Amino acid sequence: AQSVTQLDSQVPVFEEAPVELRCNYSSSVSVYLFWYVQYPNQGLQLLLKYLSGSTLVKGINGFEAEFNKSQTSFHLRKPSVHISDTAEYFCAVSDSGGSNYKLTFGKGTLLTVNP
Amino acid sequence: DAEITQSPRHKITETGRQVTLACHQTWNHNNMFWYRQDLGHGLRLIHYSYGVQDTNKGEVSDGYSVSRSNTEDLPLTLESAASSQTSVYFCASSSGRLDGRSSGNTIYFGEGSWLTVV
Repeated sequence: AQSVTQLDSQVPVFEEAPVELRCNYSSSVSVYLFWYVQYPNQGLQLLLKYLSGSTLVKGINGFEAEFNKSQTSFHLRKPSVHISDTAEYFCAVSDSGGSNYKLTFGKGTLLTVNP
Repeated sequence: DAEITQSPRHKITETGRQVTLACHQTWNHNNMFWYRQDLGHGLRLIHYSYGVQDTNKGEVSDGYSVSRSNTEDLPLTLESAASSQTSVYFCASSSGRLDGRSSGNTIYFGEGSWLTVV
């Protein structure tokens, strides 16, 4: 079985500052990794995903993430955040085996961008 | 546009009552999921289905049931609502595997149903 740990429950930053949201995973098999964003009172929206190939993945809204197999990490980054990026961010994992149809989520990181 | 809709969006019910949350998707997706979201726990999988007449238990299935009689719908039933089931419930769907063998495949989420059990 796989699991996901999001190391920070809350991350406050100022507008136009860079941000990194950390995610580590645990699995006995190869994994596929995802970041979702949830704006207040809304459902989850896919930001980006790593399936294979280049370890640097670019997503929507200027976000990117890097898959690091040796450190079992998939940290999300943005070089300059906006007020509108305030949301909760979830890291999720799907394994390469028979459970490849569903996701296991981390507990989420609340990103608050202050003016 | 194809979409996934949940109803009701907000509901208050009493302890012990049976409650059903509806989920309807128009993508013709085979896979459907119910998650609950709680502060400090993120999203946890309640039940899921890979097709008509198929249902499976997730990690927090006690007190919940689902049935899949057609492709479009996966209603979630709380047999006897408890205060511990106060939560936000999300339905989701996908067409197949999440890996590169079906590139572009992803899980889509509904807007959520806020359930309060008093």
